[in-house]
Amino acid sequence: DARVTQTPRHKVTEMGQEVTMRCQPILGHNTVFWYRQTMMQGLELLAYFRNRAPLDDSGMPKDRFSAEMPDATLATLKIQPSEPRDSAVYFCASGLEQGSPLHFGNGTRLTVT
Amino acid sequence: AQSVTQLDSQVPVFEEAPVELRCNYSSSVSVYLFWYVQYPNQGLQLLLKYLSGSTLVKGINGFEAEFNKSQTSFHLRKPSVHISDTAEYFCAVSVNTNAGKSTFGDGTTLTVKP
Repeated sequence: DARVTQTPRHKVTEMGQEVTMRCQPILGHNTVFWYRQTMMQGLELLAYFRNRAPLDDSGMPKDRFSAEMPDATLATLKIQPSEPRDSAVYFCASGLEQGSPLHFGNGTRLTVT
Repeated sequence: AQSVTQLDSQVPVFEEAPVELRCNYSSSVSVYLFWYVQYPNQGLQLLLKYLSGSTLVKGINGFEAEFNKSQTSFHLRKPSVHISDTAEYFCAVSVNTNAGKSTFGDGTTLTVKP
């Protein structure tokens, strides 16, 4: 059963440090999404890609967040510098276009102290 | 732009009782509709989807949903719930012009009590 794989599952870091989260989408999927989930805001779309090209990253704080797809098997989300308000669960999801459901990874739980 | 409203943030129900989780959407074009379930410490998993055709769709774990275009609703139902159905449920809408991007509702926490 194909799955989206996210690493690490948990990350605790101090304010100001760089954080990198990785995602391996399902082979053959051409869209990749990054979501952030918090109790207060729910699920927020941060960025998404189609065929590795960024389509929309308007949901990300541009000054500290960056998302890339160096190849079709890897998507990364970086935060530099991290802040306590970035503490959340970050989900990666992949899919196909035109009505395809999204397949989610199990998330990276980030705690910034 | 599309939007999704899940009308109940929390739904408590006793085991073996029926349940309905309500979802309304807004869109100026045709939509695809989804329900996802999220168990603790896991990502979202697809329960069911409506793309076209029959307005009553069946999903996993005995859930079903009915697409009502005139009322712009896509309510999720189960005739008899189990303790294991306790989870958060998300309704989502997508259109065919936005590369598969889905807009999610705020979620409904279903708590099944013994």
